[in-house]
Amino acid sequence: DQQVKQNSPSLSVQEGRISILNCDYTNSMFDYFLWYKKYPAEGPTFLISISSIKDKNEDGRFTVFLNKSAKHLSLHIVPSQPGDSAVYFCAASARDTGRRALTFGSGTRLQVQP
Amino acid sequence: DTGVSQDPRHKITKRGQNVTFRCDPISEHNRLYWYRQTLGQGPEFLTYFQNEAQLEKSRLLSDRFSAERPKGSFSTLEIQRTEQGDSAMYLCASSPLTSGRENEQFFGPGTRLTVL
Repeated sequence: DQQVKQNSPSLSVQEGRISILNCDYTNSMFDYFLWYKKYPAEGPTFLISISSIKDKNEDGRFTVFLNKSAKHLSLHIVPSQPGDSAVYFCAASARDTGRRALTFGSGTRLQVQP
Repeated sequence: DTGVSQDPRHKITKRGQNVTFRCDPISEHNRLYWYRQTLGQGPEFLTYFQNEAQLEKSRLLSDRFSAERPKGSFSTLEIQRTEQGDSAMYLCASSPLTSGRENEQFFGPGTRLTVL
């Protein structure tokens, strides 16, 4: 039972354009969401997060949008750069339950073409 | 470098052998997590410590797996009687207690285990 789903295993965009990565979740107890980036042979690196009390959080080129009613979040990268090429993981936690475990999606491989 | 470190980075073992991995978290981080990642999947939570107390364990953590954090600093993950299905990347992460950042988990490079 996958509680966090990333339905697009891969995405290719041109440098300078927008990258949109999507994530859906099923567990209504999730109240905090994170995006991680992973390069080969490295551990995941934290990118940006959003609490369920917000619908948008922005950090430089990265913006995360949360639609609680649809149980959907997305990561926008504008403008995309070749160095953004990596696997992106969506993760969720249920902080209010006291649990600290993150539940991850299966990842989306982003390739930014020069 | 003050990131999360893991040792060894790679481990090849024969089925039935025991293996132990070590994780050194970021020094001021009280919370430490273990995850397992298989090919094509995201990391799956195994267990979580706050200081030396093990507060959460996943159903994935069978009785062949044991984790410790005896002094609230480094942690070890031991797998007894390894099976081929244990082959995976084992990731350690840590996070601070500081309000506002406690949900950001910082990951180490992982230990890749191959069970022959």
